Amino acid sequence: AQSVTQLDSQVPVFEEAPVELRCNYSSSVSVYLFWYVQYPNQGLQLLLKYLSGSTLVKGINGFEAEFNKSQTSFHLRKPSVHISDTAEYFCAVNVGGRRALTFGSGTRLQVQP
Amino acid sequence: EAGVAQSPRYKIIEKRQSVAFWCNPISGHATLYWYQQILGQGPKLLIQFQNNGVVDDSQLPKDRFSAERLKGVDSTLKIQPAKLEDSAVYLCASSSLGDTQYFGPGTRLTVL
Repeated sequence: AQSVTQLDSQVPVFEEAPVELRCNYSSSVSVYLFWYVQYPNQGLQLLLKYLSGSTLVKGINGFEAEFNKSQTSFHLRKPSVHISDTAEYFCAVNVGGRRALTFGSGTRLQVQP
Repeated sequence: EAGVAQSPRYKIIEKRQSVAFWCNPISGHATLYWYQQILGQGPKLLIQFQNNGVVDDSQLPKDRFSAERLKGVDSTLKIQPAKLEDSAVYLCASSSLGDTQYFGPGTRLTVL
């Protein structure tokens, strides 16, 4: 079975500052990794995913994440955040194909002016 | 391309009542998932369908929850009878042959 740990429940940051949201996973087999964003009263939107290949993955809205197999991490980064990035961010894993996702508990990113 | 549709968006019921949620996946998507998202937590899988067959329902509380996808397209999730702890957002997602799951807006259930 897989598990996901998001180390920070809330991350406050000022507008235009860089941000990193941390994600660690545990699995006995190779996994696929995902970051989703959830705006208030909306469903989840895919930001980016790692399936194989380059460990640096670029996604939408200027976000990127780096897969680190030795540290079993998949941290999400953005060099300069905007007020509109305020949302809940979820890291998720599955073992490929059409398997269900296992989610972390989420990190609330609060961008302040 | 239309996204995943869910209805209703909000539902308030009293405990021990019944409730049903509906999901219409993206056209052509064979795989459909129902997740439960309790406030402050990440979504957790309740049930997964492949066409009209159940792939995984190991985390579905079968004494009170049921789900069906009769024609391999839209799906209904039912709770009967509801408990206070069922208050949550119920998310439907679908995927085709690939790995990306697309989520609907969810149904927010409040059990009083």
